[in-house]
Amino acid sequence: AQTVTQSQPEMSVQEAETVTLSCTYDTSESDYYLFWYKQPPSRQMILVIRQEAYKQQNATENRFSVNFQKAAKSFSLKISDSQLGDAAMYFCAYRSAEGAQKLVFGQGTRLTINP
Amino acid sequence: DSGVTQTPKHLITATGQRVTLRCSPRSGDLSVYWYQQSLDQGLQFLIQYYNGEERAKGNILERFSAQQFPDLHSELNLSSLELGDSALYFCASSVGEVPGTEAFFGQGTRLTVV
Repeated sequence: AQTVTQSQPEMSVQEAETVTLSCTYDTSESDYYLFWYKQPPSRQMILVIRQEAYKQQNATENRFSVNFQKAAKSFSLKISDSQLGDAAMYFCAYRSAEGAQKLVFGQGTRLTINP
Repeated sequence: DSGVTQTPKHLITATGQRVTLRCSPRSGDLSVYWYQQSLDQGLQFLIQYYNGEERAKGNILERFSAQQFPDLHSELNLSSLELGDSALYFCASSVGEVPGTEAFFGQGTRLTVV
């Protein structure tokens, strides 16, 4: 079974600075998808960024980018120019490319933005 | 707004009772997923339906059941409720079974068992 680990329960960063959230995963599959979801106080789960395992190029969405290291099974999220609205719980998630389409989530990292 | 609607938003009930949580997926989405978010277990996959049929099961208790109706809305039934069932229950939907397609989440139903 696949597992996802987020080793940082909490992180904080100054507004306008850059922060990196860590995620590692364990799988025997060669094809899969990785996601970062944001959960603000409103509780809504919002997709931040997605990475296909077969793509070597790291995904980027505006101020959000990932560092995908397939061999190391690492998938970190970098947030540049942090804004107050980025404060939330961030979840790393794994989805197989075949079979069940369920998401396997990490335990989450609570990100605080200091003004 | 994700387009996924969950009702009710909040639910308080007593131990031993039965409740039904409802989910309306995004227009055109055939797959519905149910997740439970609790403080000690994190976000756990419960069950998936695709076009009315059960597709995958996670760590769903026997006291819990779900179904997806012909109009594609889904209901999660929780019975013989225990204090430990208190959690945030999310529904998510996606277009189908195409790998990697985004799952859109509803705002969740906060269940409190007292």
